[in-house]
Amino acid sequence: KQEVTQIPAALSVPEGENLVLNCSFTDSAIYNLQWFRQDPGKGLTSLLLIQSSQREQTSGRLNASLDKSSGRSTLYIAASQPGDSATYLCAHTGTASKLTFGTGTRLQVTL
Amino acid sequence: DTGVSQDPRHKITKRGQNVTFRCDPISEHNRLYWYRQTLGQGPEFLTYFQNEAQLEKSRLLSDRFSAERPKGSFSTLEIQRTEQGDSAMYLCASSSEPRRDSSFGPGTRLTVL
Repeated sequence: KQEVTQIPAALSVPEGENLVLNCSFTDSAIYNLQWFRQDPGKGLTSLLLIQSSQREQTSGRLNASLDKSSGRSTLYIAASQPGDSATYLCAHTGTASKLTFGTGTRLQVTL
Repeated sequence: DTGVSQDPRHKITKRGQNVTFRCDPISEHNRLYWYRQTLGQGPEFLTYFQNEAQLEKSRLLSDRFSAERPKGSFSTLEIQRTEQGDSAMYLCASSSEPRRDSSFGPGTRLTVL
């Protein structure tokens, strides 16, 4: 069974801090690794997609890396803001087309 | 591009009733996915379509669940004889290829009393 683990489950940081969210997966034969943001009671917003041939992707204050050999991905958020408060989910696409998700990291950025 | 839309956004029903949800994907996307998310968990895959063909179904999709995509555009997910355990957020997503971004809709929140 493919599993995706996200650590920590919850994180609270003061505004302005840089932070790293971790994602590990057991299936090394993944095609894509995608990071999403989910606000309470809402759908998912795609943040970054890393294809299997890539090692990282950047968008604004976000940087995601992928190490397939170790089964790990990290999401780095620079200069965090209260508006970054949300649940962050990582998911991978394996040999099938479906996404397999972790349980998420709940982030709170305080003033 | 209006994104993926889902209707209704919220549904409250009594146990034993049937419910149907609709998903309209991004128009140029030929792949459509349904996921279910319970509180505190990540979404779990239910089923997916490529055009009108349903290519994979999860074991989570019991015989009370049926999904269709009759013309390869919008999709419906029906749950018959609802149970309290069916209470969840039902998410729809679409993509143009299996290895491209999946775009998600806002979800339908189902509450079974």
